[in-house]
Amino acid sequence: NAGVTQTPKFRVLKTGQSMTLLCAQDMNHEYMYWYRQDPGMGLRLIHYSVGEGTTAKGEVPDGYNVSRLKKQNFLLGLESAAPSQTSVYFCASKTDRGRGRDEQFFGPGTRLTVL
Amino acid sequence: AQSVTQPDIHITVSEGASLELRCNYSYGATPYLFWYVQSPGQGLQLLLKYFSGDTLVQGIKGFEAEFKRSQSSFNLRKPSVHWSDAAEYFCAVADGEYGNKLVFGAGTILRVKS
Repeated sequence: NAGVTQTPKFRVLKTGQSMTLLCAQDMNHEYMYWYRQDPGMGLRLIHYSVGEGTTAKGEVPDGYNVSRLKKQNFLLGLESAAPSQTSVYFCASKTDRGRGRDEQFFGPGTRLTVL
Repeated sequence: AQSVTQPDIHITVSEGASLELRCNYSYGATPYLFWYVQSPGQGLQLLLKYFSGDTLVQGIKGFEAEFKRSQSSFNLRKPSVHWSDAAEYFCAVADGEYGNKLVFGAGTILRVKS
C-alpha cells in the first residue's frame, strides 16, 4: 500500500496563477483533509470531505476550492495564487469506523511558493 | 471550538536525558487526544492517542503520555532521548461533529545535543 500520496512535491507559482494539488489514498478511507502548515502555527484545516461527492470548509478555506469526485482522490485548487498561500500543504485521510478515535494518515506534503 | 496549547516552541535536551513535552487542551468532556511527530521534510506520524481508560498511554518509539483531566494536560514523555528523536512534535485534539476533525497545537521543535 502506498498510503497517502501527494502530487506535486514542490511547486513555484507567480501571483495570480492557478494550480491543483492532488491527493490520493489507497486505504478506502471515507474522510479526507487538506491542511496547511506555517511556522509556529501548527497545521490548520483548509477543507475536508466526509465522503465521495462531499466537501466542507475548515478553519482557513478562503482562496481555496476542493473536489472529491472519486473516493480515493481529493483535489485542492488555488484559483488565483497569492504570496500568503506560500506554505506546506498536507493531505490526510482516515476511516469513519471509530469516529474521533481514528488516527489520520498523512501524505508527505507539497511545498508551494508563490512569488 | 477546541484549542490546544503547546507552551514550548523549542526544547533542547542532551542525548540520553529524559524528555517531557507539554500539551494543554480546552474541552468540556473527555477529549480524544493525539501526539504526532514530524521528521524534517516528512509528513506526520502518529505516536500515540488517548480516548478513554488508563490515563497513561504507551506509543511507538518508546514514548508515553499521561492524560490529566484536572490539569487539562496530555504531556508526552520519553525516559531516554536518542539523536533520531530530533523532530517537531504536535499535540492534537479531536473536534467537530463526531470528533472527525483535528485541532493541532503550534508544535514543539526538539533538538538533541550529543
